[in-house]
Amino acid sequence: DIQMTQSPASLSASLGETVTIECRASEDIYNGLAWYQQKPGKSPQLLIYNANSLHTGVPSRFSGSGSGTQYSLKINSLQSEDVASYFCQQYYDYPTFGGGTKLELK
Amino acid sequence: EVQLVESGGGLVQPGRSMKLSCAASGFTFSNYGMAWVRQAPTKGLEWVATISYDGSSTYYRDSVKGRFTISRDNAKSTLYLQMNSLRSEDTATYYCTSHSGYYFDYWGQGVMVTVSS
Repeated sequence: DIQMTQSPASLSASLGETVTIECRASEDIYNGLAWYQQKPGKSPQLLIYNANSLHTGVPSRFSGSGSGTQYSLKINSLQSEDVASYFCQQYYDYPTFGGGTKLELK
Repeated sequence: EVQLVESGGGLVQPGRSMKLSCAASGFTFSNYGMAWVRQAPTKGLEWVATISYDGSSTYYRDSVKGRFTISRDNAKSTLYLQMNSLRSEDTATYYCTSHSGYYFDYWGQGVMVTVSS
């Protein structure tokens, strides 16, 4: 199985700040990476696919980048509604997820 | 609007069986692969099983192979997960998702399965 390591596990940031979440794969996943947002008590929602493509309806302050084994999710100008957990997922092989990053407001 | 509504969860004893259902609407169900993804309490996400758009191909994570069966009825736009020989480690919220074989586009609200005596 391809292992996905996310960092940090938790993050505290202020409104308007830019935050970055990292995801490292145990081998090259050739941009087969998605990011999901899960708000408290809700189901996950797709944000980004193919490492850098924005899913329908997702605000443009979210962006994804990376290649090979290293990927990141950036949130520009943090909003209160962005408080959530974020997960990466590779789909180069059978799907596996990162452990998640819990984002809170400072 | 895409809607995926799971049902069939609850409390079950170890070793017993349970069947989950997922009613889909708002898209052409028969054109899409589908999957189940689970999340143990306060834990991360774990892919469980995938079925192709026509049901001809199925895929499972190793820990559920031989115990779980994913199936679909395209005439009813419904996805199923038959879970046999349940274990305490199967306790989780189970999500129905649309799945092209790559990422998981749309998710249901989830259904809780608790395996305990």
